[in-house]
Amino acid sequence: SQTIHQWPATLVQPVGSPLSLECTVEGTSNPNLYWYRQAAGRGLQLLFYSVGIGQISSEVPQNLSASRPQDRQFILSSKKLLLSDSGFYLCAWSVRTGYNNQPQHFGDGTRLSIL
Amino acid sequence: ELKVEQNPLFLSMQEGKNYTIYCNYSTTSDRLYWYRQDPGKSLESLFVLLSNGAVKQEGRLMASLDTKARLSTLHITAAVHDLSATYFCAVADTPLVFGKGTRLSVIA
Repeated sequence: SQTIHQWPATLVQPVGSPLSLECTVEGTSNPNLYWYRQAAGRGLQLLFYSVGIGQISSEVPQNLSASRPQDRQFILSSKKLLLSDSGFYLCAWSVRTGYNNQPQHFGDGTRLSIL
Repeated sequence: ELKVEQNPLFLSMQEGKNYTIYCNYSTTSDRLYWYRQDPGKSLESLFVLLSNGAVKQEGRLMASLDTKARLSTLHITAAVHDLSATYFCAVADTPLVFGKGTRLSVIA
């Protein structure tokens, strides 16, 4: 069966520090991968999605970036964190088909607090 | 651009009562998904609706899809406290488009 792992589960970082969140998927090949952010009490904001190694689509302008160095690995990064980067970050995967409309399966999330 | 609207956004209901959450979307789609999120937790898949007229039931929750009306409903029967959570619908597009979520609180 497929599993998705995110780490760390919680992170406290000072403003201006770098960030690296990692997500890996097991038990499937060629998945679509997604990064979402959820502010406290709010809905989901899609940040990035990827349909293959090195292929990243960005949904909103921000000081974050994403990379997909391997088929089942998705990394969210920042060179300098802002206070507004605080939130709950969720990684998700879906089966890759021709329509990119498959259900998404979510990791447990990383709660990021910026001080 | 596909827009997904859920209502209500907040719902406080008494135990034992019935209620319906609505998910409207703006363009044609034949797939819709419902997710549940408990406070501080990730999203858990509840229902996958793949065609017009699809109906799925799990315990006290029943979801349906009317693709012609561009509407999905999540019906809660005889609510219990354990159903307190935020419920999201997501409509198939490239990629999925999520509603803002309905925060449900079931009170005694």
